[in-house]
Amino acid sequence: EAQVTQNPRYLITVTGKKLTVTCSQNMNHEYMSWYRQDPGLGLRQIYYSMNVEVTDKGDVPEGYKVSRKEKRNFPLILESPSPNQTSLYFCATLSAGSTEAFFGQGTRLTVV
Amino acid sequence: QQQVKQSPQSLIVQKGGIPIINCAYENTAFDYFPWYQQFPGKGPALLIAIRPDVSEKKEGRFTISFNKSAKQFSLHIMDSQPGDSATYFCAARGYGGSQGNLIFGKGTKLSVKP
Repeated sequence: EAQVTQNPRYLITVTGKKLTVTCSQNMNHEYMSWYRQDPGLGLRQIYYSMNVEVTDKGDVPEGYKVSRKEKRNFPLILESPSPNQTSLYFCATLSAGSTEAFFGQGTRLTVV
Repeated sequence: QQQVKQSPQSLIVQKGGIPIINCAYENTAFDYFPWYQQFPGKGPALLIAIRPDVSEKKEGRFTISFNKSAKQFSLHIMDSQPGDSATYFCAARGYGGSQGNLIFGKGTKLSVKP
């Protein structure tokens, strides 16, 4: 079964405490992206990756880091989270030549 | 900056009505225009997509109309049902090296009243 798995689903943390949201896919897709979803702002791309060791900034990269050491994994790292990073985060994958992106279940992050 | 502009932000129709959601893009370096549907608590899922060399595509009750010269495209939902109540996102995909880069509009929350 095609899957994009994000963990954790829910996270409440404090300002400044480093955290990582993991994303793993089993479809061998080349492309992976992170989006944040906020009311009235839709889905805004944070970072995307074209393949292993190849990443690029999206529209709102500030305060985030990513890495793509393996094709299946694309973790999102918040080195020093702040309350304005409270949001719903989605990881998505896409195969080359396709328009069908597969999204994870989402991670609801609250930074207090 | 937003490269895909979507309107309206929200839409309420009666069952059987035909909601229309509009999108406009600025960058011509896009080669595919998908629409995604998102239900509460779920990630978005692909609904229908169109290439810019086609003016219209229909899948069931969902139709995309595309106007390349105006850089606009729209989603029509025929005979809308309460089960269509969801948030709809238009998107644009870059071509070539940016194929994996999907840019989304801000979304339209559709409510279909019984």
